[in-house]
Amino acid sequence: DVKVTQSSRYLVKRTGEKVFLECVQDMDHENMFWYRQDPGLGLRLIYFSYDVKMKEKGDIPEGYSVSREKKERFSLILESASTNQTSMYLCASMRQGRDKNIQYFGAGTRLSVL
Amino acid sequence: DQQVKQNSPSLSVQEGRISILNCDYTNSMFDYFLWYKKYPAEGPTFLISISSIKDKNEDGRFTVFLNKSAKHLSLHIVPSQPGDSAVYFCAASDPRTYKYIFGTGTRLKVLA
Repeated sequence: DVKVTQSSRYLVKRTGEKVFLECVQDMDHENMFWYRQDPGLGLRLIYFSYDVKMKEKGDIPEGYSVSREKKERFSLILESASTNQTSMYLCASMRQGRDKNIQYFGAGTRLSVL
Repeated sequence: DQQVKQNSPSLSVQEGRISILNCDYTNSMFDYFLWYKKYPAEGPTFLISISSIKDKNEDGRFTVFLNKSAKHLSLHIVPSQPGDSAVYFCAASDPRTYKYIFGTGTRLKVLA
């Protein structure tokens, strides 16, 4: 079974703090993704990575950055947290290839910025 | 611009009856569609998928139908069970990228 592990289930941070959300997958997948889920807005893609040290902006990258130094780990960074970044953050991974593949999700990190 | 739309935010169904969840998309380039189920405080889990070359895919109680001309897909759950109560997201895959585009979700409640 694919396992995608997010380091924290719940986080509470203060406005202006630097926040790191960590994600690790154990299936040697090339692609990794960070989404946020908000009521009425579904899942929106923040950033994704298709290889080590490679990254691409998703639909809502503003206020976020990412790091992928190792294949299994993809970190989401909030440089200066703001209250509008309070959300559920979801990490996913997916095998690369021409065949249709499935994204596997972690359990999510619920972040509250006060 | 919402390329994948789930117009029903919620749906209630009696146990044993059929649940039908709908999804519309606008981009004719999408070639692969998926349904995910999400329980509170958990990540989405893959449920069923369909390629654009098919019009139906079935897996146990779950069937997905694709109408390409209408740019519409639906998920049928028969019979519905209380454990099916969750938020269901449809997603479409853009073949030019690795990206999925997700709908806004439909909360299904199956009443015992």
